[in-house]
Amino acid sequence: GENVEQHPSTLSVQEGDSAVIKCTYSDSASNYFPWYKQELGKRPQLIIDIRSNVGEKKDQRIAVTLNKTAKHFSLHITETQPEDSAVYFCAASSNTNAGKSTFGDGTTLTVKP
Amino acid sequence: ETGVTQTPRHLVMGMTNKKSLKCEQHLGHNAMYWYKQSAKKPLELMFVYSLEERVENNSVPSRFSPECPNSSHLFLHLHTLQPEDSALYLCASSHGQDNEQFFGPGTRLTVL
Repeated sequence: GENVEQHPSTLSVQEGDSAVIKCTYSDSASNYFPWYKQELGKRPQLIIDIRSNVGEKKDQRIAVTLNKTAKHFSLHITETQPEDSAVYFCAASSNTNAGKSTFGDGTTLTVKP
Repeated sequence: ETGVTQTPRHLVMGMTNKKSLKCEQHLGHNAMYWYKQSAKKPLELMFVYSLEERVENNSVPSRFSPECPNSSHLFLHLHTLQPEDSALYLCASSHGQDNEQFFGPGTRLTVL
């Protein structure tokens, strides 16, 4: 089955700096890579996703890059703000496993004002 | 609101009790999921239902029993749980394969 590894487990940055979270996956059949943000006491919510036919996707301060050959993808947050502080989860899934997403173990991002 | 609701939001039960968690979605999704969230494993997939059929049982102990009577409802029946089963149980749904999952608010379960 799929195995997703996420690094780092914790990340602390100064407000205004950039933050990068990286994930690797094992199943070459995986073709959908979402990123979820979970604020304290709240449910995970999708912030950005990318499919395997695209190498990069950007939405304002958030971007995701995908390297299919190396089987890794990354989340980039620029100009970080205190409200970006949360746990971020990456996931990988394929259309061969009924949409089951395998999640990484999460990264706790702290943005210091 | 994401359209996925869970009840109850909090549950305290003894090890000999039987209880059920309920999840409901009105997003027209055809896949539903149960996750366990704890400090040990942040998002641990338990069960997946696609078109009301169980397609994934991720080595979950038999004291957890899922039920999906229709595409809008998902239950998790609990029986003789252990204290280590205390966690946040999250339900999610999605439309088809490889699409965004919408999560419910979760049920905070404490087993005494």
